[in-house]
Amino acid sequence: EVQLVESGGGLVEPGGSLRISCVASGFTFSNAWMSWVRQSPGKGLEWIGRIKSTTDGGTIDYAAPVKGRFTISRDDSKNTLYLQMNSVKAEDTAVYYCTAEWGGGPAHWGQGTLVAVSS
Amino acid sequence: DVVMTQSPLSLPVTLGQPASISCTSSQSLVHSDGNIYLSWFQQRPGQSPRRLIYKVSNRDSGVPDRFSGSGSGTDFTLKISRVEAEDVGVYYCMQGTYWLTFGGGTKVEIK
Repeated sequence: EVQLVESGGGLVEPGGSLRISCVASGFTFSNAWMSWVRQSPGKGLEWIGRIKSTTDGGTIDYAAPVKGRFTISRDDSKNTLYLQMNSVKAEDTAVYYCTAEWGGGPAHWGQGTLVAVSS
Repeated sequence: DVVMTQSPLSLPVTLGQPASISCTSSQSLVHSDGNIYLSWFQQRPGQSPRRLIYKVSNRDSGVPDRFSGSGSGTDFTLKISRVEAEDVGVYYCMQGTYWLTFGGGTKVEIK
């Protein structure tokens, strides 16, 4: 069974930093393209970035609102995906979902971790 | 950027009756590899999203066959043949041809 378990969310001040993690199991993580998707309170889904598998070049792409502030990385030896969030803003407040892509999009989703940006 | 537009925003349905959600993309979703990467997701209240359909019309494992997807080019549709109480939630379309973009969502509720 595929499992994606996010952790590391919490309260962070504007301008601060936070790193959230996602531990994957039930599939070959090193072969998977992984994405982060967020959902602001009461709002829709927003893709924020993707990292391809190492065998597919490990390319990383970001959505415009987070480019230059957020960094996606992976540790295939630990089956773990990371999202480093720097210079956070109030509008970054959201539930952050880790997803495993297959067939052209997120096939599996974690339970999400809440990041709240407030002073 | 590709913009995904869904309609309607809200869809009150009667149990046992069909329902249909439309999704339009601002440009063709035909990928250079010939595939159309259009997916549909269901998000029940308080839950993570779940993918129902990928590549326009392929149902994910475990998805009831009352859900079906169709479309081509820029216009796509998700149909529920007979709505059940467990189908209440918000439905999103998503394109994966040019990175990933989600539609704004359609809230399905029981009349």
